[in-house]
Amino acid sequence: AQKVTQAQTEISVVEKEDVTLDCVYETRDTTYYLFWYKQPPSGELVFLIRRNSFDEQNEISGRYSWNFQKSTSSFNFTITASQVVDSAVYFCALSEARGGATNKLIFGTGTLLAVQP
Amino acid sequence: DTGVSQDPRHKITKRGQNVTFRCDPISEHNRLYWYRQTLGQGPEFLTYFQNEAQLEKSRLLSDRFSAERPKGSFSTLEIQRTEQGDSAMYLCASSHTSGQGPNEQFFGPGTRLTVL
Repeated sequence: AQKVTQAQTEISVVEKEDVTLDCVYETRDTTYYLFWYKQPPSGELVFLIRRNSFDEQNEISGRYSWNFQKSTSSFNFTITASQVVDSAVYFCALSEARGGATNKLIFGTGTLLAVQP
Repeated sequence: DTGVSQDPRHKITKRGQNVTFRCDPISEHNRLYWYRQTLGQGPEFLTYFQNEAQLEKSRLLSDRFSAERPKGSFSTLEIQRTEQGDSAMYLCASSHTSGQGPNEQFFGPGTRLTVL
């Protein structure tokens, strides 16, 4: 069965601090995709990144970076120099990728990030 | 290009009543998903359409729930004989098919259902 675990329920940081959100996943598939979504207080889920299981290169996009390690089944998300606007719930999600699959997303329970000014 | 829209945004109903929600996906997206999100949890998959065909339903989708996507455009989710446990945010998402694995799903703002 597929499962995503986000052990950090809430994190509070002060603006300009770096913060890492952890994500651990379980799957029997050899090919799969991982995602991060942001859900701000307005409620609408916003896509941040998609990564396939064959690409273990770290990715950086502005203040955001992602570290994917298959050996530990982790896909962690780091925000550098956090800002108040980063305050939101962040979800990690897993999707199967075999042919004919629905590609539904299996979400973790989310991490609430509060960035204090 | 407009995003995914959902209507209504909020619905308050009494237990036992029927409710229907609508989702309009991004126009060129052939894949449409419904999820349910309760407080403090991540979204949970309910059902999936590819064009007009409903190809997967979660065991969460009891026989009181039905979804349609006529003509592969908008979709409706109906809940009959609502129960208090149905109170949740119902999210719709759409994506397009490519040959390179699952694409990102774009989510609508959701319909928040409160069953009294």
